[in-house]
Amino acid sequence: EVQLVESGGGLVKPGGSLRLSCAGSGFTFSSYSMNWVRQAPGKGLEWVSSISATSSYIYYSDSVKGRFTISRDNANNSLYVQMNSLRAEDTAVYYCARQSRDPYGNYGLDVWGQGTTVTVSS
Amino acid sequence: IVLTQSPGTLSLSPGERVTLSCRASQIVTNIYLAWYQQKPGQAPRLLFYGPSSRATGIPDRFSGRGSGTDFTLTISRLEPEDFAVYYCQYYDRPASVTFGGGTKVEIK
Repeated sequence: EVQLVESGGGLVKPGGSLRLSCAGSGFTFSSYSMNWVRQAPGKGLEWVSSISATSSYIYYSDSVKGRFTISRDNANNSLYVQMNSLRAEDTAVYYCARQSRDPYGNYGLDVWGQGTTVTVSS
Repeated sequence: IVLTQSPGTLSLSPGERVTLSCRASQIVTNIYLAWYQQKPGQAPRLLFYGPSSRATGIPDRFSGRGSGTDFTLTISRLEPEDFAVYYCQYYDRPASVTFGGGTKVEIK
């Protein structure tokens, strides 16, 4: 079964740090670009960051640039995001998602984890 | 690129037909426009790769179309399990991904 499982969420004080992990299984993890997407309570989806299959290309949303660092370990089928200088507005469910193409080249995030909750509060 | 979804909420009954709109602030490359469904407490689920290529397991009562700046998602006959929030998304290569604000389809 193709699966992504996030972990590492929790309660952290403003200014603190947290590292989220995402474990992939059931597919060739090293062949896919991966993304982090978050969802604040009661809000819509917000893309956070993406990393190419070999880590050659890394991108961030403006809202997290300079504070978050995405990385991956293909040998261990794992994706990470190191989150520093956390703010109340970073409170959200964080999802990892696999980036894929169908046979016609159309794009989509086709596999999602169940999410891990990050709460930034004093 | 900004994606505007309308309406924000739709109140409908099972069996009805519904069309959701996603409008981009500028012309986009079609193959990078995708649609997702999200139910309460669940992760999003991919409905369409590109604007009209159904993902695995998506029933054919769902259809997508569009090009340029205007895209639509149609559910031909609402089933109870279709009541959810629907998001469009654009992959603005290489460096950005944008989601629309979502349309909630609720039971009337």
